[in-house]
Amino acid sequence: GAGVSQSPSNKVTEKGKDVELRCDPISGHTALYWYRQSLGQGLEFLIYFQGNSAPDKSGLPSDRFSAERTGGSVSTLTIQRTQQEDSAVYLCASSAAGLLYEQYFGPGTRLTVT
Amino acid sequence: ILNVEQSPQSLHVQEGDSTNFTCSFPSSNFYALHWYRWETAKSPEALFVMTLNGDEKKKGRISATLNTKEGYSYLYIKGSQPEDSATYLCAFYNTDKLIFGTGTRLQVFP
Repeated sequence: GAGVSQSPSNKVTEKGKDVELRCDPISGHTALYWYRQSLGQGLEFLIYFQGNSAPDKSGLPSDRFSAERTGGSVSTLTIQRTQQEDSAVYLCASSAAGLLYEQYFGPGTRLTVT
Repeated sequence: ILNVEQSPQSLHVQEGDSTNFTCSFPSSNFYALHWYRWETAKSPEALFVMTLNGDEKKKGRISATLNTKEGYSYLYIKGSQPEDSATYLCAFYNTDKLIFGTGTRLQVFP
């Protein structure tokens, strides 16, 4: 079946604008994850959804970042008032249940803030 | 702050060599340890999720072991091939998040 998809694949935005990144998980996967990889850095865990709820939002870098998931499926990661340090590849993954299961990653969204 | 450390940072081997690398993680509050393979310009791909002390898992020429009491996992690649070239990431499941190491970058020369 279809894998995890993300859109857009690339986004260039001006500093101060808001951006919305979208993730479509594998059908039937209840858990969904957002990660960020900044240049030269490792994978940074941002947030995890089990169904529509996120047990721990402490990984979000600042209050400009928010994420939601509706209908237990699609998720959006919103970054308000983007800053240059937000430039990174944003990866989404899904798994059959929670963190005891392997994750399937999407292709990522490369965000560049100019 | 919980630390997941991987060593070595990078590794260059000849085709046919066997190799291994290490992931160290906190030995308390262990739930699971994940291994992923990340090729350049692709998405990370799951290799193993390990949950029990003493676990050994195998996928083709790649295998992994787990010691939760001392907080380490080894990943082994037998008879490395150029297509094994990638960054190998481990991740420690702690409460409601996965904490990733910075990876071991493996390059296999023909």
